[in-house]
Amino acid sequence: QQQVKQSPQSLIVQKGGISIINCAYENTAFDYFPWYQQFPGKGPALLIAIRPDVSEKKEGRFTISFNKSAKQFSLHIMDSQPGDSATYFCAASDTDKLIFGTGTRLQVFP
Amino acid sequence: NAGVTQTPKFQVLKTGQSMTLQCAQDMNHEYMSWYRQDPGMGLRLIHYSVGAGITDQGEVPNGYNVSRSTTEDFPLRLLSAAPSQTSVYFCASSSQRRANYGYTFGSGTRLTVV
Repeated sequence: QQQVKQSPQSLIVQKGGISIINCAYENTAFDYFPWYQQFPGKGPALLIAIRPDVSEKKEGRFTISFNKSAKQFSLHIMDSQPGDSATYFCAASDTDKLIFGTGTRLQVFP
Repeated sequence: NAGVTQTPKFQVLKTGQSMTLQCAQDMNHEYMSWYRQDPGMGLRLIHYSVGAGITDQGEVPNGYNVSRSTTEDFPLRLLSAAPSQTSVYFCASSSQRRANYGYTFGSGTRLTVV
């Protein structure tokens, strides 16, 4: 049973467009929701994270929206750039374990 | 600072062989963990440790052993490799003694079992 469900599996966006990736979780004990970015041949790198006491967090072009009642959260990438082309993973954590979604491959075309 | 260092970067094993994947961090991080990454399945937690001398199982622990004798090192052992263990393995660490903080990942070990 997958604890963190991520969609879509792949996403193609034109340069300057908005990329949106969605995640849903089941475990109400999760209290930390990060997004990781991974380029080919590299390890994942922390992009942005949110805790359930806020509904939105913005860092530059990246925004997390969080809906605690629906147990859903999403990543919005504004003004998407070709350099944003990577695989994005959502994740959710309690104090013991960080559980990842299955990933979204984003391609941004010029 | 080197961060999280994984060795080797690539490895080919025959079925039934054993090996140890090394992970070392120089950030004095308490929390360390091992993940495997497979196409379409994301990263799945194998084992984790909240500090020296303490380890616990993740989502997919079968076929893997770990130990944590020092803060810096967290090796992952495959006692009898199977083709199903072909994967990319990542080690990660966190500065807190729990999972719900940002992680630093190593660059991975690509393992092929034939």
